[in-house]
Amino acid sequence: DAKTTQPPSMDCAEGRAANLPCNHSTISGNEYVYWYRQIHSQGPQYIIHGLKNNETNEMASLIITEDRKSSTLILPHATLRDTAVYYCIVRVASNAGNMLTFGGGTRLMVKP
Amino acid sequence: DVKVTQSSRYLVKRTGEKVFLECVQDMDHENMFWYRQDPGLGLRLIYFSYDVKMKEKGDIPEGYSVSREKKERFSLILESASTNQTSMYLCASSYSGSRSYNEQFFGPGTRLTVL
Repeated sequence: DAKTTQPPSMDCAEGRAANLPCNHSTISGNEYVYWYRQIHSQGPQYIIHGLKNNETNEMASLIITEDRKSSTLILPHATLRDTAVYYCIVRVASNAGNMLTFGGGTRLMVKP
Repeated sequence: DVKVTQSSRYLVKRTGEKVFLECVQDMDHENMFWYRQDPGLGLRLIYFSYDVKMKEKGDIPEGYSVSREKKERFSLILESASTNQTSMYLCASSYSGSRSYNEQFFGPGTRLTVL
């Protein structure tokens, strides 16, 4: 799996957009970008994934650069409940184990 | 609403005890996983199962075993608990094949303390 680099922490004002960056310069052509988050004392939660096109769902938007070497997760209107550690993972979409490896992630603090 | 449940949120056991952690999912998922999560070490895979009665070792299987007798249930067993198995244990499940896209659904976790 390609290595990812994320800032260790970020702050965001409640109601504003939270933009979380991820660098994955060694990504290969068949690897997807996945985002998970983990709220304190809870299990991780899947957010969104994409290959090369931008994606949007009810939780967030994912913007992937044209060269696919970086991406940004956007929470359009952050709430206090979005305070969590956000993990960017790059993996092939295969069934070979499907095991996930979380790195350090970005600790997002949403402030009133 | 999809659900992965784990038998206990908090568990305290003594060294040498046999410990059972149960996980149940109601999504008819083929794949099920057991991870442990420790500060500074991230998420590490212990075992996974891609079908009933099938199991595969993950990164750190030593000291653990698993059982999957029914599709919806995946059990993690610590045969003789040790203090270095004090951790947060997370169960997850997912569809297999192209449907999964690594979208794993996690349970709330069991925080196990071994004294």
